[in-house]
Order: sequence, then C-alpha cells, then structure tokens
Amino acid sequence: DIQLTQSPSSMSASLGDRVSLTCQSSQGIGNYLSWYQHKPGKPPKPMIYYATNLADGVPSRFSGSRSGSDYSLTISSLESEDTAIYYCLQYDEYPWTFGGGTKLELK
Amino acid sequence: EVQLVESGGGLVQPGRSLKLSCLASGFTFSNYGMNWIRQAPGKGLEWVASISSSSSYIYYADTVKGRFTISRDNAKNTLYLQMTSLRSEDTALYYCARDYGNVMDAWGQGASVTVSS
Repeated sequence: DIQLTQSPSSMSASLGDRVSLTCQSSQGIGNYLSWYQHKPGKPPKPMIYYATNLADGVPSRFSGSRSGSDYSLTISSLESEDTAIYYCLQYDEYPWTFGGGTKLELK
Repeated sequence: EVQLVESGGGLVQPGRSLKLSCLASGFTFSNYGMNWIRQAPGKGLEWVASISSSSSYIYYADTVKGRFTISRDNAKNTLYLQMTSLRSEDTALYYCARDYGNVMDAWGQGASVTVSS
C-alpha cells in the first residue's frame, strides 16, 4: 500500500504568516493527490485536487505544489478560519490512503 | 443543492452487524462513484470503500475486506455499507462522500458507530 507521511504533525503560526504543510509519498503517484481541511464537528472539505488545483470555493491564499514525491499545501497569509487539521489523500491506486494529518493552530 | 445524509448508526455489540445508508439528493446519483470514509475517535481519516456509478467496480480497505459490503440502489438514490463481524476498532464516525473524479467534493455529516459490549 502507498504510505503518505505528513509533516509536521502539528504546528502553530501567527495571523498573516505564510504556512506550508508537506505530504511525502512512499511511491510515485503522479499528481493524484488531494488535500482536505477538517474542522471539529464538520465533514472534511476539499481544498486541492490533482496536486495543484484549487477546489471550488477555496480562497486563493491556498495553493498546492509538487516536487517529485513531495507535495505541499501552502497558505500565503494565515487567517483565523484556517485553523484545522489538514489531510492529504492519494487516489492513484487502491487502497486509497490518507496521510496522518497536520494540525494547524494559531500562535 | 447537493446533499448526502447518513443514517443507521448506533451502538452494537462486537460480532454483530449494522447497515449504514446514505441518501443523496440534489444531483444525478447514478452518474457518480461514491465512497465511505471513517474517523475513529482521536484518529485521522481512513478510506473504507468505493463503488463506481454502476456498481461495476468495488474496492475495500484491507481492514474491512471480507466483513463490510458497499452497495448502492440508484433507483433509491442511496448508498449502503453493510458491516458484519464488527470489532471495537470499527468504532468511528462514518462519512459518505461523492467522487467527482479527482476529488471527493461532497460529504455527509457522518453516522456514528460504536462497537461495545
């Protein structure tokens, strides 16, 4: 099975900071990676699909990138509403696998 | 408006069975693949199963293979997850989600399943 390793597992940042979350794949998955934002009491919300594409309704401060088997979700200027747990998901092959998540908090 | 509403969750003893339903509305259900994803208490998200629009293709996580069955009734706009031989580690919030090709773009609010004696 493909393993996704997210780093860091948690982090805190200040309002307005540029934040980057990383997801590393154990094998090649091309661009078949998406990112989800998960807040307590709510279902996950898609943020990025096919590694670099912004999902519908997602603010432009979010972006996705890829370098080899490393994938990143970047928030250009952190806002309070961005505090959540972020998960990457590979859908290149079954079984689909999620990363362990990065918990993003405000400093 | 796209809506997915899960039902059928509850408290069940280990070894027993439970069937979850996910009623879809606001879109042509028969055109989309569907998925079940779960989150155990204090844990991350785990993909459980996927089914194609016509039920031709079905996939399971190894943790549930042979115990869970995903199915759908396109006439009733409903997705199902039949869970048998339940274990304590199956305790989780179960979400259904629509497959929009490269992304699961619509999710239900989740159905809570607790496996305990």
